[in-house]
Formats: sequence, structure tokens, C-alpha cells
Amino acid sequence: NAGVTQTPKFQVLKTGQSMTLQCAQDMNHNSMYWYRQDPGMGLRLIYYSASEGTTDKGEVPNGYNVSRLNKREFSLRLESAAPSQTSVYFCASSLKGWGGTSPANEQFFGPGTRLTVL
Amino acid sequence: GENVEQHPSTLSVQEGDSAVIKCTYSDSASNYFPWYKQELGKGPQLIIDIRSNVGEKKDQRIAVTLNKTAKHFSLHITETQPEDSAVYFCAASTGTASKLTFGTGTRLQVTL
Repeated sequence: NAGVTQTPKFQVLKTGQSMTLQCAQDMNHNSMYWYRQDPGMGLRLIYYSASEGTTDKGEVPNGYNVSRLNKREFSLRLESAAPSQTSVYFCASSLKGWGGTSPANEQFFGPGTRLTVL
Repeated sequence: GENVEQHPSTLSVQEGDSAVIKCTYSDSASNYFPWYKQELGKGPQLIIDIRSNVGEKKDQRIAVTLNKTAKHFSLHITETQPEDSAVYFCAASTGTASKLTFGTGTRLQVTL
């Protein structure tokens, strides 16, 4: 099993450009998440998908859109990139959403995408 | 919403010593507290978690304690080794239709 995979690993954009970050998991998980990680701020939730066909906003959704393409894939799109979106982006998945505290709620993270917006 | 504070932001210990990282949370309804380890260039990985019906949990050299009255929980690493060097994040969740709120991270360096 590859677990959670993300592409690309690195990306440099100019202000106003658009791009899509790809995420896929092969663990048959139901829930998937996108976080951003900034120095001194920990991980902040951008969007999540509790199950295939559903998506919801997290803590910092402005400037982003998501698509749960199927059970395996969850993409994050920046329509018009801004320097404030320079960050490391992590995708994660869990068997269940956080409606509970069982081991099925453990979130598995991908290796991250380092995005720089000039 | 939930707010999680984590201290210290950096911690340097000698190999073999113990390390303690502390977190406080604000939402008394939180009942799930995981700890993640993030190695350089990788995503966070769950190393231990605790639920509010227990006060302490151990797994070999790592342990987590929870004080619900004071709303704080701590990670304890004994007999530290160089491979323990990483960034550690605490998090909290109410578990029901709620998100994980992460602390700001602690960079642990274990020196020889």
C-alpha cells in the first residue's frame, strides 16, 4: 500500500495563476482532509470530505475549492493564487470522520506539497 | 471554537534524558487528544492518543497524561534517542462532528 500520495511535491506559482493539488489514498478510507501548515501555526484545516460525494469547509477555506472525485481522490484547487497561500499543504485520510474516538478516526497524512506563490 | 496551546516551541535534550511537551485546550467538551510526530520532509504520523475516560496511556518509551479538570495533557518521552528528533504536534477534538485542532508544534532535538 502506498498510503496517501500527493502531487506535486513542489510548485512555484505567480500571483493570479491557478493550480490543482492532487491527493489519492489506497486504504479504502471514507474521509479525506486538506490542511495547510505554516511556521508557528501548526496545521489548519482547509476543507474536508466526510464521505464520497460530500465536502465541507474547515477553518481556512477562503481562496480554495475542493473536489472529491471518487472515494480515492480528493483535490484542492487554487483559482487565483496569492502570496498568502504560500505554505506546505497536507492531505490526510481516515477510515471514519471524527464522529467518534475509535482507532478508525486516526488520520493518515501524505508527504505534503510545498507551494510558493511569488 | 477550540484553541490548543503547546509549549515549548523548541526543546533540546541530551540522549538518554526525558522530554516533556505540554498542551492546554479550551473546550471542555474535547475528549480525544492525539499526538503526531513529523520528521523532516514528511507528513505527521500518529504516535499515541488518549481519550477522556483515561488519565494516562503508555507505549514503550512514550506516555501521555491527561488532566481534564485543568484541561491540559502532556507527552512524555523517556530515554530519548537521536531518532526522536522531530516536530511533535498535539491536537484535540470533541469527537462528534468536530475537527482536530492542532497545537503549534514543538521541535525536539536530541543531542549526543
